Amino acid sequence: KQEVTQIPAALSVPEGENLVLNCSFTDSAIYNLQWFRQDPGKGLTSLLLIQSSQREQTSGRLNASLDKSSGRSTLYIAASQPGDSATYLCAVSSGYSTLTFGKGTMLLVSP
Amino acid sequence: SAVISQKPSRDICQRGTSLTIQCQVDSQVTMMFWYRQQPGQSLTLIATANQGSEATYESGFVIDKFPISRPNLTFSTLTVSNMSPEDSSIYLCSVEKSQDTEAFFGQGTRLTVV
Repeated sequence: KQEVTQIPAALSVPEGENLVLNCSFTDSAIYNLQWFRQDPGKGLTSLLLIQSSQREQTSGRLNASLDKSSGRSTLYIAASQPGDSATYLCAVSSGYSTLTFGKGTMLLVSP
Repeated sequence: SAVISQKPSRDICQRGTSLTIQCQVDSQVTMMFWYRQQPGQSLTLIATANQGSEATYESGFVIDKFPISRPNLTFSTLTVSNMSPEDSSIYLCSVEKSQDTEAFFGQGTRLTVV
């Protein structure tokens, strides 16, 4: 059974810092990995999708990497802003569109 | 991408009653899913909504408690039946244009059962 772990559970940084969020998964036989953002009490916003054959994806200040063999992914956020404050969720697809989610990293960026 | 409209956005319901949540997508999609997010927890898949056939439920979820309809490729409903306070959660609709592609989520329905 696939298990997804996200570290740290919470992170508080001052504005402007570069930061890294970590995601690990137990079964490397995945189709893709997706990073989401969730604001309190809201739905999920897709940030980046990495196919199993890819090593990384970039969107603006966000960069996600994937090392499938070691079961790890990182989300790098450059020059963090208060508007980046949210919970960041990592999810892996192990086939048949079955997504397994981590518990998330709650990020707070202070002005 | 896909734009998903989920209704209602929130509701407070009496125990023993039922609530139907609607999910409307702006384009035809192959895959539609319903998730539950209990307070302080991550997302758990309830079922895959299949167009023209019965939904496929995950372990721990049954049709009598969570009946699902999917009459076409852009619309689905989830009913939470005979509610109890333990059903208080955020319920989320998710779609994928085709299997194992990027997943998109609605804004969720925050349900409180009193």
